[in-house]
Amino acid sequence: RKEVEQDPGPFNVPEGATVAFNCTYSNSASQSFFWYRQDCRKEPKLLMSVYSSGNEDGRFTAQLNRASQYISLLIRDSKLSDSATYLCVVNQNAGKSTFGDGTTLTVKP
Amino acid sequence: EAQVTQNPRYLITVTGKKLTVTCSQNMNHEYMSWYRQDPGLGLRQIYYSMNVEVTDKGDVPEGYKVSRKEKRNFPLILESPSPNQTSLYFCASSPHGAAQPQHFGDGTRLSIL
Repeated sequence: RKEVEQDPGPFNVPEGATVAFNCTYSNSASQSFFWYRQDCRKEPKLLMSVYSSGNEDGRFTAQLNRASQYISLLIRDSKLSDSATYLCVVNQNAGKSTFGDGTTLTVKP
Repeated sequence: EAQVTQNPRYLITVTGKKLTVTCSQNMNHEYMSWYRQDPGLGLRQIYYSMNVEVTDKGDVPEGYKVSRKEKRNFPLILESPSPNQTSLYFCASSPHGAAQPQHFGDGTRLSIL
């Protein structure tokens, strides 16, 4: 079993839709969590940090559920520009960082 | 401008010819890390460095070496490249470790024939 598993894609949604991605992790001692966005094999860019209390940034909301060992990303009112691959990241200690395989989102007009 | 700079951006080379991919950051970050990304997969960590002269293996260190003699530089060395090391490589840095968001370089596309 992989240490970090993401929802298999691709997700194809119309503009304005709400879409949610989940990411599960196996190491209960994992310490920090992030969502990154990657466009067409360019460099990943930080989208959001993920906290147990939840984190909202405009149309994006990230949640952490430690008991069930998953993180989630909710995108409301999807825009064409949201089309990208979304990578979850789980960090086990100060240095080791594990990425999910990514979920591809395509938002269509 | 705060950035992570990788060189070269693209390289086609042959099996067994030693190569180095350089990575430099201008943000005075303590933490630096190398990843490789293969089609359909996320990033896999090769090596990371918590600070100068401190390096540790990630998930896929075989066939790679790194060094951290200065804070700003973290080169990735392939002593004897093989075709299975053909990949897209990213260097990243953060102020104090993986618990903080990482800033990524633009990537290096390596093809080993």
